[in-house]
Amino acid sequence: DTGVSQDPRHKITKRGQNVTFRCDPISEHNRLYWYRQTLGQGPEFLTYFQNEAQLEKSRLLSDRFSAERPKGSFSTLEIQRTEQGDSAMYLCASSSHPLTGRDTEAFFGQGTRLTVV
Amino acid sequence: RKEVEQDPGPFNVPEGATVAFNCTYSNSASQSFFWYRQDCRKEPKLLMSVYSSGNEDGRFTAQLNRASQYISLLIRDSKLSDSATYLCVVTWVGMRFGAGTRLTVKP
Repeated sequence: DTGVSQDPRHKITKRGQNVTFRCDPISEHNRLYWYRQTLGQGPEFLTYFQNEAQLEKSRLLSDRFSAERPKGSFSTLEIQRTEQGDSAMYLCASSSHPLTGRDTEAFFGQGTRLTVV
Repeated sequence: RKEVEQDPGPFNVPEGATVAFNCTYSNSASQSFFWYRQDCRKEPKLLMSVYSSGNEDGRFTAQLNRASQYISLLIRDSKLSDSATYLCVVTWVGMRFGAGTRLTVKP
């Protein structure tokens, strides 16, 4: 399978615990995005990377959230001291962004569903 | 003001109807525009890109008005299989999604 893959697909954790999610993008894609989605809402932008550089992080994101893409390939999203409000679907997407010209289509993984109890 | 705003819906239409969705965006520096489709409990998938000249793909027509910062999607001859949530997407630095408009096409 050469699409975007995310791991785990589901995670149930107790409030206050730390969780880490992984995303493996399509191999030739240089851009990688993280989104959070709750029921009835569109994907909410969290952060994105161009290769290994984190270019933007949402102001809505608290300091408990951190993301890395150390070698410009896979990425991890960590949530520290989870709260019940963190329960959501966490989506990763990747795209091939040219140096000039339009953004190309982004492909999404199937997401990681987080439940904080 | 939200970065990307869409008609909240839901839209409930009979088969064969024509339905239009609207979307406005706040950043005039936006560069690329898309419509994505998301089925229930699935990931979003690209429906079509949106170009300044307007573009059509079968029963789907997308329009962009940069001066008004407005994007539209028109679906003609609706099919049951068109039932989904339609997401407006705008990029300037990173991709931003609207909240989505839910469409249900009924027999």
